[in-house]
Amino acid sequence: DAGVTQSPTHLIKTRGQQVTLRCSPISGHKSVSWYQQVLGQGPQFIFQYYEKEERGRGNFPDRFSARQFPNYSSELNVNALLLGDSALYLCASSFSRGLWLGYTFGSGTRLTVV
Amino acid sequence: DAKTTQPPSMDCAEGRAANLPCNHSTISGNEYVYWYRQIHSQGPQYIIHGLKNNETNEMASLIITEDRKSSTLILPHATLRDTAVYYCIVRVAGAGKSTFGDGTTLTVKP
Repeated sequence: DAGVTQSPTHLIKTRGQQVTLRCSPISGHKSVSWYQQVLGQGPQFIFQYYEKEERGRGNFPDRFSARQFPNYSSELNVNALLLGDSALYLCASSFSRGLWLGYTFGSGTRLTVV
Repeated sequence: DAKTTQPPSMDCAEGRAANLPCNHSTISGNEYVYWYRQIHSQGPQYIIHGLKNNETNEMASLIITEDRKSSTLILPHATLRDTAVYYCIVRVAGAGKSTFGDGTTLTVKP
């Protein structure tokens, strides 16, 4: 079975631009979460989606938004990029929101804002 | 989610047991303890979790104190490939987020 896949793996954007990151969960997994990991720090929670509805939101500005599609894949959008948005963006999927058996993380998208 | 405290770094000799501690003194009764590790440039990998009882799987053992205020992850025979950042997380099953700290960087040396 394929794991959690994220695309693109790397990208470079300019300040003020917008970016869309994509995530495909493991087949059968209905919950997708997004994390931001700045170099040298642990991942920070951004969003969780379950059954296409937002179920949790971290302490991030409204420039960050996400959605989940009927096939449970997800997109993370970041508008008006700042230099501080440079980070590894991780997507994680799990089967159930209620009985949490642990996330499976993708390898992430490395975003560099210049 | 309860806050966790881990040492920033630890060393271990190859073939020896690695014991990684985690303090979670404010853990609530319905919060589980989870351990993940992150090898350089990869996403975090789930290792093990537990609520009250000690747990063991093919990767590691988890020892949770009786008062649940601390736990220890044990890698019984560390290899060079176990060099990674190890994160201890406490959270309610079903909660929307996991709070990662800065973890412990474990370096396994030959």
